[in-house]
Amino acid sequence: GIQVEQSPPDLILQEGANSTLRCNFSDSVNNLQWFHQNPWGQLINLFYIPSGTKQNGRLSATTVATERYSLLYISSSQTTDSGVYFCAGDNYGQNFVFGPGTRLSVLP
Amino acid sequence: KAGVTQTPRYLIKTRGQQVTLSCSPISGHRSVSWYQQTPGQGLQFLFEYFSETQRNKGNFPGRFSGRQFSNSRSEMNVSTLELGDSALYLCASSPGRSTGYTFGSGTRLTVV
Repeated sequence: GIQVEQSPPDLILQEGANSTLRCNFSDSVNNLQWFHQNPWGQLINLFYIPSGTKQNGRLSATTVATERYSLLYISSSQTTDSGVYFCAGDNYGQNFVFGPGTRLSVLP
Repeated sequence: KAGVTQTPRYLIKTRGQQVTLSCSPISGHRSVSWYQQTPGQGLQFLFEYFSETQRNKGNFPGRFSGRQFSNSRSEMNVSTLELGDSALYLCASSPGRSTGYTFGSGTRLTVV
C-alpha cells in the first residue's frame, strides 16, 4: 500500500510566525486530505486537495500530484493552531492511509 | 447538518470482555470507515463499509469486526479485549470515493 511521510515531525513557533508542513506519498493518490487533530482527539478536515492550490483564511495548501507531495502553509500562527497535523490519501480503492503527523506548538 | 456521531465517547472495559462501538454517518453518506489511533502506531485503518458491504479491511486480527446497517449506521466490535486494544477509535463517513472524509469525535477505549 501507499506510504506517507510527513516533515518535520515537530515544530515550535512563536505566535505570528509562518510555517510550511510537507507530506510525501510513495505512489500516486487520487484522494488527499489535510487534518488538524484537536486536543480532544477529533480530526478536523482542513483541505480536500488531490491537486492544485486552495486557501482558507490563514491556511493554504498545495498538492503537486505528479511529484506526489503536498504542502500546508500556516501564516501568522496563533496559539489555537497548536496540535497535530495529518495528511492522508488513497489510490483508487486502496485504504486511506495517514502519515505520522507533524506536532505543532505555537508559543505566546 | 449533523456531523458524524460516535457513541459512547469514553469506555472502560476489562481484559477478556467484548465491546461494541457505534457510528452514525452524515445523512446521505453511504461509506463508513473505522480507524484505531494509538501513541505507538499512529492512525491505522481498520475497515470500510459501503452500502452494507465491507469494501476494505486493514491488518487487524479477527477479534476486530464490523458491520453496516441499511441506514448506513455502523458498529464495530472487539472481542476478547487485550490491554493493547486501548486506543482512540475514530469513525469517518463519506458520500463515496474521491470525495473526502469527515471524522467523528471518537471513542476512547481503555482496557484494564
